Amino acid sequence: QVQLQESGPGLVKPSETLSLTCTVSGGSISSYYWSWIRQPPGKGLEWIGYIYYSGGTNYNPSLKSRVTISVDTSKNQFSLNLSSVTAADTAVYYCARGSRAAAVLNWFDPWGQGTLVTVSS
Amino acid sequence: DIVMTQSPDSLAVSLGERATINCKSSQSVLYSSNNKNYLAWYQQKAGKPPKLLIYWASTRESGVPDRFSGSGSGTDFTLTISSLQAEDVAVYYCQQYYTTLPYTFGQGTKLEIK
Repeated sequence: QVQLQESGPGLVKPSETLSLTCTVSGGSISSYYWSWIRQPPGKGLEWIGYIYYSGGTNYNPSLKSRVTISVDTSKNQFSLNLSSVTAADTAVYYCARGSRAAAVLNWFDPWGQGTLVTVSS
Repeated sequence: DIVMTQSPDSLAVSLGERATINCKSSQSVLYSSNNKNYLAWYQQKAGKPPKLLIYWASTRESGVPDRFSGSGSGTDFTLTISSLQAEDVAVYYCQQYYTTLPYTFGQGTKLEIK
């Protein structure tokens, strides 16, 4: 069964770039849409954006100017860069797969365990 | 954006009793071409990622107990737990996937034992 694991720094300074990687195991990254979703402490879920295995992307308009998602199919990984971070970007960041292969309109399953990123000097 | 509004924000129900959580979308998430509602429900326990419960508004994910059911169409949806168990304490979220511009979630409903 497919499993996802986020990795990256847990602490980022204000104005710097948050960088995370999601490693997919137990299955191929091909043919699916892969998303980043975040959850500030004690708050709800916010979709950040997705990438298709072939490289096409779509971002939440609220974050679009600061977000880049990329994919490395040779490593079965996809990555998130969020620039110019502030304290408001402190959150648990999840990676998740669109459940249906080759379908853009999707629910999310499975999810990674999440990684807490704190923005602080 | 399609705004998803859940009610109530929190809910306390006795063990064995029914729990009902509502989700309302700011526009219809029903595609007339296939008559499917693009609405999912998730359960999130403390310190864990969300777990998929229901998709297409009423299709239970494999392995999800049959006490969980989803209903509704268009803009109004309901998640029902027919007989609350202690392990059902969690926060529940609805999500629309009618449009990716952007995908949106409800604010969450916290379910506790009375």
